[in-house]
Amino acid sequence: SQKIEQNSEALNIQEGKTATLTCNYTNYSPAYLQWYRQDPGRGPVFLLLIRENEKEKRKERLKVTFDTTLKQSLFHITASQPADSATYLCALPSGYSSASKIIFGSGTRLSIRP
Amino acid sequence: NAGVTQTPKFQVLKTGQSMTLQCAQDMNHEYMSWYRQDPGMGLRLIHYSVGAGITDQGEVPNGYNVSRSTTEDFPLRLLSAAPSQTSVYFCASSYSRSNEQYFGPGTRLTVT
Repeated sequence: SQKIEQNSEALNIQEGKTATLTCNYTNYSPAYLQWYRQDPGRGPVFLLLIRENEKEKRKERLKVTFDTTLKQSLFHITASQPADSATYLCALPSGYSSASKIIFGSGTRLSIRP
Repeated sequence: NAGVTQTPKFQVLKTGQSMTLQCAQDMNHEYMSWYRQDPGMGLRLIHYSVGAGITDQGEVPNGYNVSRSTTEDFPLRLLSAAPSQTSVYFCASSYSRSNEQYFGPGTRLTVT
C-alpha cells in the first residue's frame, strides 16, 4: 500500500534562508499531492495542491515541486520568517482511482530562528 | 461562514463510556472525514463520507461509528471508549475528495 515518508526530525533554519521540506511516497505516483500547515493545538490549513502533470507550483513565497521519477515532492519557503515556524504535512490519495482515500504524512516540524 | 466546527473541544471519558463528537460545516461540502492525530503518527483517517447517506471506512475505523443524515453534519460515535482512543480528533470537509480540505479546531479526548 502507498506510504508517505516525511523527515520526522525538526528542521531549523536561519531567518531569510530558504527552507526545503521533503515528501517521499513509496508506490505509484498519485494524481495529485497536497501540502498543509499545522500550528500547535490547531487543525491543518491547506497551502498548495500540485497535480501529476505539473512540475512546479508557486504561491507567494511558497513553491512545490513534484518529481514522479524520484517519487518525491519538495516544499520550499523562500525568505523564511519566524512566523513560518510550524509543522508541514503532505497528503495524497492512497490509490490512483478517484475513490481513493487521502492519507497524510506524519509531518516535518520547521523552526525559523531570528 | 463558520467553516468547520467541532464540539466539544476537550473531553475526558472513563473506559467503557460512549460519546459522540460533533462536526458541522456550512460550506455545502459533499466530502467530510474524521481523522485522529497521535504524536509521531500523523493524521489517520477513521471514516469518511462522500455525501448525505453515504459513509465508508478509513484506515482505523474499529471502535467508531459515523452517520451522515444531512450535508452539514457528520458526527463520530465512540461505542465503548478505550485508553487507545486517547487522541486529538479532527473533522474536515471539502468540495470533493480531491479538493483542499478544511479542518475543524479539533477535539482532545482522554480515556482513563
